[in-house]
Amino acid sequence: DTAVSQTPKYLVTQMGNDKSIKCEQNLGHDTMYWYKQDSKKFLKIMFSYNNKELIINETVPNRFSPKSPDKAHLNLHINSLELGDSAVYFCASSQPPLGVFFGPGTRLTVL
Amino acid sequence: AQRVTQPEKLLSVFKGAPVELKCNYSYSGSPELFWYVQYSRQRLQLLLRHISRESIKGFTADLNKGETSFHLKKPFAQEEDSAMYYCALRGGSEKLVFGKGTKLTVNP
Repeated sequence: DTAVSQTPKYLVTQMGNDKSIKCEQNLGHDTMYWYKQDSKKFLKIMFSYNNKELIINETVPNRFSPKSPDKAHLNLHINSLELGDSAVYFCASSQPPLGVFFGPGTRLTVL
Repeated sequence: AQRVTQPEKLLSVFKGAPVELKCNYSYSGSPELFWYVQYSRQRLQLLLRHISRESIKGFTADLNKGETSFHLKKPFAQEEDSAMYYCALRGGSEKLVFGKGTKLTVNP
C-alpha cells in the first residue's frame, strides 16, 4: 500500500514530557514535511527535508527537533511539551511536479 | 512572499445548488496552485492541481493570473461534499503554503 504513514495516531501526555512522532513514506519522494494543524484548523508548515537535508525551518521553538535517518523517514521529537503544543501534526511528502501527499495525522493532546 | 487568502471561513449551500469556494493568492513568480479537501477527522487529500486541468468529483478550478485567483467550483453540490477545503500555493521552494480553509456544508 503506497502511502505516507505516521505513528502514533493519538498521543496524550502530560506537560513537560518528551515525545516522538514517526513518519514513513514509500512513494519514493525526495521531500518530506511536518505541518501543524491547530484548533482553528489552520495548517502551518514547520519543517521540510529534501534527501535528508533540512531545507525549511519555520519559526518553530527549539523544543521541536526533526530527524531524517533516510529519505523515506522524517521523525519529529518534541521536548518539554506545553499545553499550546496540542494540535494535529501531519507528515507529508512530495516530488515535483506532483502535489504534496499527507499522512493520517497524529492528534497530540497535552494535559 | 507567498500568501493564500480564502475569504470565506464558512460556506453553506443546499444539495443540488452550485458552489464556488474562493481563493486568491499573492506570489511574484509563477505559482503552482492546488486544492485540498479534508473530510471530518481525516487526512488532507489532494483534490486538484492547476497544471493538470482535471475535474475530480465534479470539481474544477481555473487559474486566473490577472485576478490572481484559483476558485473551486462545482455545478451541483452533494451532501458528501461537506468538508474543509484548503487552497494551497507552491512557489519556487518546496514550501506549500495553505489558506485558512473554508468549511463547506451541503444541506439536504
